[in-house]
Amino acid sequence: GENVEQHPSTLSVQEGDSAVIKCTYSDSASNYFPWYKQELGKGPQLIIDIRSNVGEKKDQRIAVTLNKTAKHFSLHITETQPEDSAVYFCAASISNNDMRFGAGTRLTVKP
Amino acid sequence: EAQVTQNPRYLITVTGKKLTVTCSQNMNHEYMSWYRQDPGLGLRQIYYSMNVEVTDKGDVPEGYKVSRKEKRNFPLILESPSPNQTSLYFCASSLYRGSANYGYTFGSGTRLTVV
Repeated sequence: GENVEQHPSTLSVQEGDSAVIKCTYSDSASNYFPWYKQELGKGPQLIIDIRSNVGEKKDQRIAVTLNKTAKHFSLHITETQPEDSAVYFCAASISNNDMRFGAGTRLTVKP
Repeated sequence: EAQVTQNPRYLITVTGKKLTVTCSQNMNHEYMSWYRQDPGLGLRQIYYSMNVEVTDKGDVPEGYKVSRKEKRNFPLILESPSPNQTSLYFCASSLYRGSANYGYTFGSGTRLTVV
């Protein structure tokens, strides 16, 4: 089955800097790659996703890139703000019932 | 407001005492799923359901049961809880259209402690 690895497990950046979180997946048939943000005491929330027919997607300060050949995808957050501090999860799936999550990255943005 | 509602938010129970965690969604989603979240392990799927009366095991189903009698509800049942089921549990829902993928909407979580 699919295996998703996520790095780093913790990331600390200064406010205004960029943050990058990387994930690799094992199953070349995976075609959907969402990213979730989990704030303290809350459930994960979908923040951006990308499908295998697209190489990059942006939404304001957040972008995701996908390299199908290398089987890795990344989340980029620019101009980080303290409210970006949270745990971020990547995931990969072929269909809804086989979505696999990475172990998570705890991002801390220092003011 | 579109949401997934879990209850209770916190629960402390004793080994062997049956319990049910409820999950309800108001988005008419076909797909629902239960996950447990443990430190360093991320989110692991317990059970999922692609529609009413259709359920299947995820990666860590041992010790859990589910049912899907109505589209909006997907309760998680622990018939005889054990301390290794102490965890943070999340219910999630999404659209389901065959092989297509859709993002999940998660509930706020249930923190379960079994002593």
